[in-house]
Amino acid sequence: QKEVEQNSGPLSVPEGAIASLNCTYSDRGSQSFFWYRQYSGKSPELIMSIYSNGDKEDGRFTAQLNKASQYVSLLIRDSQPSDSATYLCAVPFLGPGYSSASKIIFGSGTRLSIRP
Amino acid sequence: DTGVSQNPRHKITKRGQNVTFRCDPISEHNRLYWYRQTLGQGPEFLTYFQNEAQLEKSRLLSDRFSAERPKGSFSTLEIQRTEQGDSAMYLCASSLGGGNGIAEAFFGQGTRLTVV
Repeated sequence: QKEVEQNSGPLSVPEGAIASLNCTYSDRGSQSFFWYRQYSGKSPELIMSIYSNGDKEDGRFTAQLNKASQYVSLLIRDSQPSDSATYLCAVPFLGPGYSSASKIIFGSGTRLSIRP
Repeated sequence: DTGVSQNPRHKITKRGQNVTFRCDPISEHNRLYWYRQTLGQGPEFLTYFQNEAQLEKSRLLSDRFSAERPKGSFSTLEIQRTEQGDSAMYLCASSLGGGNGIAEAFFGQGTRLTVV
């Protein structure tokens, strides 16, 4: 099992609709979860972080976390053409022999395309 | 600009040559990460530092790769005897970290390496 799994897509959504992006992770001890957006040829840009079960809203973005199911999702409401990008899920994992230090592992990303 | 800075932005090298990349993190960040990304993939973890200590290095990383962060500030990533398979975007990120939590990581613009 991969440490962080995402559907690679492409996911095509009409403009104005809701885009739903999903991510599962393997480490039950993970406490922090991040979503990044990456445009082609650019570096990843942090768009959301979530630490507690439930929903967290920021503008058109909502992150949802279910630690029991080891599942985190990102909803994008009123999708715009500028939302067309690859969305990366990132989760800190404990390193070997360290109780608190952790590396951040990324999924392979979901390519989102917003069609007019 | 107080973000993460990487140099050079682009590097073309002949196979067998050594290359070194530099990363200057956000000044108050104690954690620094190196990733490698190829087309269509998410960032692949290479190594990370907490202050000057290198806490983990990916098992996938060959001995040709070495990283340092001598004074807990900037970091260098060196690749010896480059191979064509080393061609990729090399990303650096930094964050605050400690305890059981980990703050968000912010990326530099990346260094694109092409081995010919």
